[in-house]
Amino acid sequence: QKEVEQDPGPLSVPEGAIVSLNCTYSNSAFQYFMWYRQYSRKGPELLMYTYSSGNKEDGRFTAQVDKSSKYISLFIRDSQPSDSATYLCAMKPYGGSQGNLIFGKGTKLSVKP
Amino acid sequence: GAVVSQHPSRVICKSGTSVKIECRSLDFQATTMFWYRQFPKQSLMLMATSNEGSKATYEQGVEKDKFLINHASLTLSTLTVTSAHPEDSSFYICSASPGTGGGNTIYFGEGSWLTVV
Repeated sequence: QKEVEQDPGPLSVPEGAIVSLNCTYSNSAFQYFMWYRQYSRKGPELLMYTYSSGNKEDGRFTAQVDKSSKYISLFIRDSQPSDSATYLCAMKPYGGSQGNLIFGKGTKLSVKP
Repeated sequence: GAVVSQHPSRVICKSGTSVKIECRSLDFQATTMFWYRQFPKQSLMLMATSNEGSKATYEQGVEKDKFLINHASLTLSTLTVTSAHPEDSSFYICSASPGTGGGNTIYFGEGSWLTVV
């Protein structure tokens, strides 16, 4: 079993839809959870950053962490065509350096106008 | 705006030549920077950890003599792909963090597309 599993998609939704992106993981030591957005041929851009369990909201984006289930989610409300990108989850243990950051493969999202 | 800058964003080189990619932290000093490689439809794979003033630490399976890393200052790390071959064609990305604590935000560069022909 890989440390971080993420459905690669592609996921296609109509504009205005609520998008749910998910990752599962196996390492219970992971404490920091991040979501990155990566446009085609560009570097990843940090969207959300969460420590331990709980929810975090930022505009149209909500990140959820359920450590008991080893499951994290990113919700996008009122999705826009500009949200079309690949979304990568990433996580690392407490005290871990950036070198311990483990990425999912990314889910490719397409929002159709 | 970007806080980590990479240059060049795209480079094409002939097989057997060397290519240098620069990674700069613009708004902060970074004693450590990281180099990743990403193949199409694959996740980011850590290649090496660049340490200012000392040797880089390479991940298993990454040839240190092929991928030379120099971190000469607190804001600049370079990756040189030596004697490049077509299989080295990939998307190379660097990252850095303003601090060494586990909770610090990690910023990525815009990435560099390398095509070896």
